[in-house]
Amino acid sequence: DAKTTQPTSMDCAEGRAANLPCNHSTISGNEYVYWYRQIHSQGPQYIIHGLKNNETNEMASLIITEDRKSSTLILPHATLRDTAVYYCIVRTNYGGSQGNLIFGKGTKLSVKP
Amino acid sequence: EPEVTQTPSHQVTQMGQEVILRCVPISNHLYFYWYRQILGQKVEFLVSFYNNEISEKSEIFDDQFSVERPDGSNFTLKIRSTKLEDSAMYFCASMVDRGRGAEAFFGQGTRLTVV
Repeated sequence: DAKTTQPTSMDCAEGRAANLPCNHSTISGNEYVYWYRQIHSQGPQYIIHGLKNNETNEMASLIITEDRKSSTLILPHATLRDTAVYYCIVRTNYGGSQGNLIFGKGTKLSVKP
Repeated sequence: EPEVTQTPSHQVTQMGQEVILRCVPISNHLYFYWYRQILGQKVEFLVSFYNNEISEKSEIFDDQFSVERPDGSNFTLKIRSTKLEDSAMYFCASMVDRGRGAEAFFGQGTRLTVV
């Protein structure tokens, strides 16, 4: 089962920042936080991941709280093409089942004009 | 940019028939995965594969399923005797390494319809 909790859905105005929260209160020290998204029925698309520090790439920023129990994915200027289901996943880099990406239900983000 | 490719994009098969779904992972990747997504449901892990053997598999991955890496490039999922409930999108993914927080890249999927 997924070890994260996300809101079922969110709306965002086009051009505004989209802030998607995720709770992972049982995260362990060797687990990374990953974000993926899925547009329609396409394959999940990697967005960003982090361990402790905040991360930024060309797609998004990831803010991880100091206690690592929650994080926020930020899309700085959402466009209509960012409408998708966003998944927050915790994964260890060690072997075993905890090393696999296990998807929950995610947050359906709707970007509106 | 390197990508995971899957063929066919859509396959229709009769119940009881065998199907093989094909994937070409990114060339320097070492870990390979199959997932499935039944329409309207979440993406489910099926199996992971490393060093020419299954690393982990889920309860879904029963004796009807098998995976193989027949050569240096292809990674296949075989369903021996398809059932109606096997109708789903099947996604292949690959990862360069499990360490250092590596990310997995997914293909665009094969839509399997069992009739």
